Amino acid sequence: EDKVVQSPLSLVVHEGDTVTLNCSYEVTNFRSLLWYKQEKKAPTFLFMLTSSGIEKKSGRLSSILDKKELFSILNITATQTGDSAVYLCAVCSDTDKLIFGTGTRLQVFP
Amino acid sequence: KAGVTQTPRYLIKTRGQQVTLSCSPISGHRSVSWYQQTPGQGLQFLFEYFSETQRNKGNFPGRFSGRQFSNSRSEMNVSTLELGDSALYLCASSPTRMTAKNIQYFGAGTRLSVL
Repeated sequence: EDKVVQSPLSLVVHEGDTVTLNCSYEVTNFRSLLWYKQEKKAPTFLFMLTSSGIEKKSGRLSSILDKKELFSILNITATQTGDSAVYLCAVCSDTDKLIFGTGTRLQVFP
Repeated sequence: KAGVTQTPRYLIKTRGQQVTLSCSPISGHRSVSWYQQTPGQGLQFLFEYFSETQRNKGNFPGRFSGRQFSNSRSEMNVSTLELGDSALYLCASSPTRMTAKNIQYFGAGTRLSVL
C-alpha cells in the first residue's frame, strides 16, 4: 500500500532557528512530490519536486528530493513566527492521486 | 482571481442525517478533488471530478458521493452520517485533470461535526 511518512510530528523552535522537516515515501511508480503549508484551513502550495538532487528555493524555504533513498526534506532558515503551521508532504503516483502524510506541526516562538 | 470557495464553512449534524457540501473552483479550473482531513488520518483522497465525470476515487464507502456541474462547481454528499465522519472536508481545483504535473489549489474547507 502506498505510504507517506513525515517526521517529526511536532517541532517547537525559537525565531531565528533553522529547521529541517522530513518526508519519506513508499509508492508504486512515483511521479512527483509536493509540499504544502497549512496555517488555519486551506493548504497553500510551496513546492513540487520531480527530479532528484535539484533544490527548489523560495526565500527562506528550500526543498530537495532523493528518489534513490525515497525521501525529501524541507528546510526553513531564520524561522519567523509566521512560519508556524502544519507542513504537509504529498506524493503523486501513476494513479494520479495525491497521497498525503499526516504533517509536521511547527511552532515558532519569539 | 478568486480562490477555491467552499460553503458552508461549518456544519453540525446528527447521526443518520445526510449533508451536502459545495465547492466552487478557481475560474477556468475544470478539475475538482475532495479530501477528508482528520487528526489521526491526515488528508485522505475521496474523489476527483473532471468535465462532470468522476475520474478517480479513494477508499471510502458508498455513503460518500459527489457530482460536478457544467460550470465546474462540485457538490459532495454524505448520507447516513456517522460520528466518524466528523472532519474537515477540503476541496481542491486544478486547471486540467489531476496528474503528477498539476498543482492543486485548496479551499478553506467545511468543518463537519456529527453529534
